[in-house]
Amino acid sequence: QVQLVQSGAEVKKPGASVKVSCKTSGYTFTSYEINWVRQAAGQGLEWVGWMKPDSGFTGFAQDFQGRVTLTRDTSTSTAYMEMRSLRSEDTAVYYCARGIRGDSAHDYWGQGTLVTVSS
Amino acid sequence: SYELTQPPSVSVSPGQTARISCSGDKLGDKFACWYQQKPGQSPVLVIYQDTKRPSGIPERFSGSNSGNTATLTISGTQAMDEADYYCQAWDSATVVFGGGTKLTVL
Repeated sequence: QVQLVQSGAEVKKPGASVKVSCKTSGYTFTSYEINWVRQAAGQGLEWVGWMKPDSGFTGFAQDFQGRVTLTRDTSTSTAYMEMRSLRSEDTAVYYCARGIRGDSAHDYWGQGTLVTVSS
Repeated sequence: SYELTQPPSVSVSPGQTARISCSGDKLGDKFACWYQQKPGQSPVLVIYQDTKRPSGIPERFSGSNSGNTATLTISGTQAMDEADYYCQAWDSATVVFGGGTKLTVL
């Protein structure tokens, strides 16, 4: 069965960086896009960016351009999201999600990773 | 930037039909999808490409999209359907989410 398993919660200080992993299984990793979405406590969903695992091509929401890097390791079917220059407003649950082929919808989601930015 | 607008809350009695709207400029020209999210859980896709249901999603969930509005319809709403619902579309190479609607079944 398709699974996306994310790394554990992180606590970071303002200005630091964080790298979240998303290990996939149950399907061909390079055949489906991986998206990253975040959700602050009590707030809605906010799209961060996406990656095509076969080519490494990426796209980002304007608010995250230049501050987020998306990478992957095809040998382990794992996607990564690194965010730099963290600020308190980045405190949120970060999700990875698989994109449906030929559509922008996301059919499988990771369990989420809480990133807390606090001094 | 493109925006999707949802009502903050919708209430429905058990067994009745709930309709949640999502508005955006010429949204009908794009594909819309919908997610259900219960407290402390990851979102679950319930409708994609306007009207399609993923495997395992009950038939009582349906969708439509025309003009400037996409609609998620839940027929015979059950208590287990109480959740937050988000619409989503794709515009100018970006994913856009609506602000979410809290569905209360009372």
